[in-house]
Amino acid sequence: QKEVEQNSGPLSVPEGAIASLNCTYSDRGSQSFFWYRQYSGKSPELIMFIYSNGDKEDGRFTAQLNKASQYVSLLIRDSQPSDSATYLCAVNDFGNEKLTFGTGTRLTIIP
Amino acid sequence: DVKVTQSSRYLVKRTGEKVFLECVQDMDHENMFWYRQDPGLGLRLIYFSYDVKMKEKGDIPEGYSVSREKKERFSLILESASTNQTSMYLCASSARYNEQFFGPGTRLTVL
Repeated sequence: QKEVEQNSGPLSVPEGAIASLNCTYSDRGSQSFFWYRQYSGKSPELIMFIYSNGDKEDGRFTAQLNKASQYVSLLIRDSQPSDSATYLCAVNDFGNEKLTFGTGTRLTIIP
Repeated sequence: DVKVTQSSRYLVKRTGEKVFLECVQDMDHENMFWYRQDPGLGLRLIYFSYDVKMKEKGDIPEGYSVSREKKERFSLILESASTNQTSMYLCASSARYNEQFFGPGTRLTVL
């Protein structure tokens, strides 16, 4: 059974600080990693995906992947109140169309 | 932009009723998915379709069936609704080996 673990939070971060969200996964065969943001009462929306070890940056967001340690993280720089949401980590392995989701981390940015 | 639409945002049904939830995507995606999302349990895959008329069971298919007669449309059917099927239902679509895009969700209440 593939597992994706996230700290459920809530994680509280002051406005303007860096928010760090972590995710670990059990299947060493996992190849693709996704971060989704979900506002309360809304559906998940894709923020970033990463396939290779290292960092991938997109605006204020940076995804970090370490396959040897089986973790993926999402950094949000200059956190804004609008970043307050639940962040879902999802993984899949090569040739598998299905994603395995973590239960999400609730992030609150404090003005 | 990818657009995934779902037939209803909110639905209230009675125990034993047959319930149809419809999902339409406009990006010619091969894959379509039905999830349910419950507090503390995260996103759980009910069924997945990788082509017209093709389907595959997810993690929790019991009590549900699906239909995909056209590429753009994927229907979830609750044959005889029960109170434990009260949930948020999310449809998603993806191209082969790519990220999933979600519809707005249907909040179903079974009385």
